[in-house]
Amino acid sequence: GDSVTQMEGPVTLSEEAFLTINCTYTATGYPSLFWYVQYPGEGLQLLLKATKADDKGSNKGFEATYRKETTSFHLEKGSVQVSDSAVYFCALLVRYIPTFGRGTSLIVHP
Amino acid sequence: EAGVAQSPRYKIIEKRQSVAFWCNPISGHATLYWYQQILGQGPKLLIQFQNNGVVDDSQLPKDRFSAERLKGVDSTLKIQPAKLEDSAVYLCASSFSSGGPQETQYFGPGTRLLVL
Repeated sequence: GDSVTQMEGPVTLSEEAFLTINCTYTATGYPSLFWYVQYPGEGLQLLLKATKADDKGSNKGFEATYRKETTSFHLEKGSVQVSDSAVYFCALLVRYIPTFGRGTSLIVHP
Repeated sequence: EAGVAQSPRYKIIEKRQSVAFWCNPISGHATLYWYQQILGQGPKLLIQFQNNGVVDDSQLPKDRFSAERLKGVDSTLKIQPAKLEDSAVYLCASSFSSGGPQETQYFGPGTRLLVL
């Protein structure tokens, strides 16, 4: 079946450090790919998305590129802030059915 | 624009009891999703509706879980009888149309269920 694998957390960084959260997927069809974020005490919300190979999704300084050859959609940010502390979920959508990864917790220290 | 509403926010029950959760999606959203999120895991899709029809319920434990979406608007998810392993956060989400590749899901705050 379809699945999403994310790197284990928590990821702990100092403010202004570079962030990478790895995400790889397995899909029987041609998926759309998403990153959702869950801030403390809040619901999940869409961070960015990409619907075809080589597309780059971006939002709030975060970026992820849809790499079909490596079945990956890694999340990156050049300089994290304390306010980026949250849980990040990679997800795919294929044939209208969504599948989520386990989530990666990010903790950013001042 | 009001977001996805869920109630109750918290529920504690004993095993073998019944429980029901309610979700009101964003106005005009045709697609509604129910997820189960166990602590430390990602959301797992239980059932997906488009209007009042079921798109997918392959991961819904149908011997104890049921869901309905009358009139294609709000929805209820029921567990009867509950087991200890049902302790989780139950998330409701909605999207504007058919869940196609561009679709963004909007999530509610979730209902945290504890089964004792």
